[in-house]
This record gives sequence, C-alpha cells and structure tokens, in this order.
Amino acid sequence: NAGVTQTPKFRILKIGQSMTLQCTQDMNHNYMYWYRQDPGMGLKLIYYSVGAGITDKGEVPNGYNVSRSTTEDFPLRLELAAPSQTSVYFCASSYSQVQETQYFGPGTRLLVL
Amino acid sequence: TQLLEQSPQFLSIQEGENLTVYCNSSSVFSSLQWYRQEPGEGPVLLVTVVTGGEVKKLKRLTFQFGDARKDSSLHITAAQPGDTGLYLCAGLYSGGGADGLTFGKGTHLIIQP
Repeated sequence: NAGVTQTPKFRILKIGQSMTLQCTQDMNHNYMYWYRQDPGMGLKLIYYSVGAGITDKGEVPNGYNVSRSTTEDFPLRLELAAPSQTSVYFCASSYSQVQETQYFGPGTRLLVL
Repeated sequence: TQLLEQSPQFLSIQEGENLTVYCNSSSVFSSLQWYRQEPGEGPVLLVTVVTGGEVKKLKRLTFQFGDARKDSSLHITAAQPGDTGLYLCAGLYSGGGADGLTFGKGTHLIIQP
C-alpha cells in the first residue's frame, strides 16, 4: 500500500491564482482530513470528510473548498490564493472515528507571492 | 477554540540524557495522541491514551495521561540522536465539536551526539 499520497510536493502561486491540492489514500479509509501547518503554530483542521459525498468545515475553512466524490480522493481547492495561505498542507485519513490512528501524507508546501 | 499547550517549545540536550515534554489543557480530553514529525514529512502516530492515569511505554518512551484527562507527558530515557524531531500532542475533546483533532504547537527536540 502507498498509504496517503499528496501532489504536488511544492508549488509557488501568485496572489489571486487558483489550484487544487490532490490527496489519495489506498487504505479504504472512510475519514479524510486536510490540515495546514504554519511555523510554530501546530496543525489546524481545514476540512474533513466522514465518507464519500460528505464534507464538513474544520477550524480554518475560509478560502478553501473540498469535495469527496470517491472514498480514495479528497482534493482541496484554493480559489483566490492569498499570502496568508502560504503554509504546509497535510492530508490524513483514518478508518473510522477521529480517535483512530490518522495516517498523514508527506505534505504540500505552498508559497503564495 | 480549545487550546493545547505544549512545553517546552524547544529542547536541545546531549545524547544519553533524560527529558520530559508536557501537554496541558484546561479542558478534558476523551483521548490524546502523541505524534512525531521529521523535517519534510507528515506526523506519525506514536501512541493513543484514553484512560485517566494510563501509562504506556514504547521502548525508551513513556507516555502518561493525567488522572483528570487534562494533561499528558512524554518522557524519554537515555535520549538518542534518532529521537530528534518535532513532537506533537493532539487531543479529542469531550463534548464533541468538529470531528477532528486539536493539535498543540509541538516541541522541537534536538539530541546532540
């Protein structure tokens, strides 16, 4: 199993551009999550999904959108990139409830200039 | 917003020394997890504690959950350079809320040979 994979690994965006961060898991996990990690600030939950077709906001959802059309994929969309969205983005998945082990991807480093 | 305070933020010690990292909150957790993150990678789960007063050992690492389930500690005995990394605690609070973990800011640990 590849686990959780994320693409791209690194991206530079100009202010106002849009992009989609891809996340795929091959463990048949129901729960998937998107976090952002800013220096010295820990990880903050952006959006999460408890299954295909179901998504919900986390702590910091503004400026982002998600979809979950399949169990495997959970893309994160940035519509109008802003410098405040410069961060490292991690996708994670777990089999059932959030207190189960969350498996993290390697992250996408995004720089908005 | 629930807060998880980790201390110390940074710790640099010599190989062979012992250390303790703390994770505190004013709220009660239903469960708490400790993760270790290396540069350029996603966090990896070390342990989950659920019961107040619970102690779990993972080789030279000892994890303790406070009796009131508001705090936790990670103790490393005879630290090795391979223990270097960012240690994150993450809690699931009693009472629900967003279906995601709340992360502390982390402790950056450096073990010098």
